Amino acid sequence: AQSVTQLGSHVSVSEGALVLLRCNYSSSVPPYLFWYVQYPNQGLQLLLKYTSAATLVKGINGFEAEFKKSETSFHLTKPSAHMSDAAEYFCAVTPASGGSYIPTFGRGTSLIVHP
Amino acid sequence: DTGVSQNPRHKITKRGQNVTFRCDPISEHNRLYWYRQTLGQGPEFLTYFQNEAQLEKSRLLSDRFSAERPKGSFSTLEIQRTEQGDSAMYLCASSPQQGRNEKLFFGSGTQLSVL
Repeated sequence: AQSVTQLGSHVSVSEGALVLLRCNYSSSVPPYLFWYVQYPNQGLQLLLKYTSAATLVKGINGFEAEFKKSETSFHLTKPSAHMSDAAEYFCAVTPASGGSYIPTFGRGTSLIVHP
Repeated sequence: DTGVSQNPRHKITKRGQNVTFRCDPISEHNRLYWYRQTLGQGPEFLTYFQNEAQLEKSRLLSDRFSAERPKGSFSTLEIQRTEQGDSAMYLCASSPQQGRNEKLFFGSGTQLSVL
């Protein structure tokens, strides 16, 4: 079964610092990969997705992620953190083949931004 | 596009009672998903519908849980004989297409507390 691992349940950065949230997937065939963000008291919303068209994917709010097959990773980055980026971030994966279309989510990483 | 709507936002019930949640997906979205999320965890898949057909259910899902999507529009999730372990946020999501790389549109969830 497909799965994703998010290293670090909490990441703390200062405003203006680089944001790096880690995601690794377990699959011999590269799946479709997604990053979602959940702000307090809101539903999850898509930040960006990887669909094999390009390894570097740009998303909303200045976030981007790079797909690295050799490392089975899809880490999320942002050059300069803003206070409004404080939220829960989830990596998700959908199999590229097979019977299931169900997205599987990681445990999430809480991003804390200090002034 | 009014978004995915879930009702109620909060539900408090006593152990052993039955509860029902409703989800109204975005109009014309074919797929509808139910997930469950507990504190510190990512969304856990429960079941999904393609139009009115329930195509997949989690093998971990208790027989006390049942879901319907009559006429392929709104969906209901019922939990019978609730247990304290059922306390969680229940999330509904919908998507418009049948592809594997489609993003999910999430509602704000229904928070269930079983006393």
